Amino acid sequence: AQTVTQSQPEMSVQEAETVTLSCTYDTSENNYYLFWYKQPPSRQMILVIRQEAYKQQNATENRFSVNFQKAAKSFSLKISDSQLGDTAMYFCAFMKLLGLLSGNTGKLIFGQGTTLQVKP
Amino acid sequence: EAGVAQSPRYKIIEKRQSVAFWCNPISGHATLYWYQQILGQGPKLLIQFQNNGVVDDSQLPKDRFSAERLKGVDSTLKIQPAKLEDSAVYLCASSLLSPQGTLYGYTFGSGTRLTVV
Repeated sequence: AQTVTQSQPEMSVQEAETVTLSCTYDTSENNYYLFWYKQPPSRQMILVIRQEAYKQQNATENRFSVNFQKAAKSFSLKISDSQLGDTAMYFCAFMKLLGLLSGNTGKLIFGQGTTLQVKP
Repeated sequence: EAGVAQSPRYKIIEKRQSVAFWCNPISGHATLYWYQQILGQGPKLLIQFQNNGVVDDSQLPKDRFSAERLKGVDSTLKIQPAKLEDSAVYLCASSLLSPQGTLYGYTFGSGTRLTVV
């Protein structure tokens, strides 16, 4: 069974600075997706960034980038130039990348989350 | 494109009462999920539909929870009777996956916060 672990329950950062959130996972699969989701108080789960395990290049989306270490099963999120609007709960998530007929249900397995506070 | 719609936003009920949540996925998304998110934890999958068929309900407490997806579009999740430990946010999501497993979209609704007193 797959597991996702976020070892930092809470983090804080000053506005405009850089912060890194950690995530490790355990799987015997070779092909999968990894995600970072942001959940503000509105409860909407918002996709921040996604990484396909077969891609060696780390994904980037504007101020957000990941450090994907497949052998180490590590998937950290770096937020540059932090903004007050980045304050939220952040979840790391895993999904198998298999065909539907091969048992890919699209089920997301989430970590416990990291609460990020951006301070002015 | 319109997002995943959920209602109600909030619900407070007494234990042993029943409650129902509604979800309308993104048009064209064949797969629909219900997740339960207990305060301070990550969401956990309760049930997943592919069109109107159940794909995975291994984590659904079937003695009290039920769900249906009529006509392969919107879905209803019901709890009867509710327990205190059912207090949580119930998130609906929908996705578009190719038969080969390529993910074209995965969108969550804003959830329903249930409080059982």
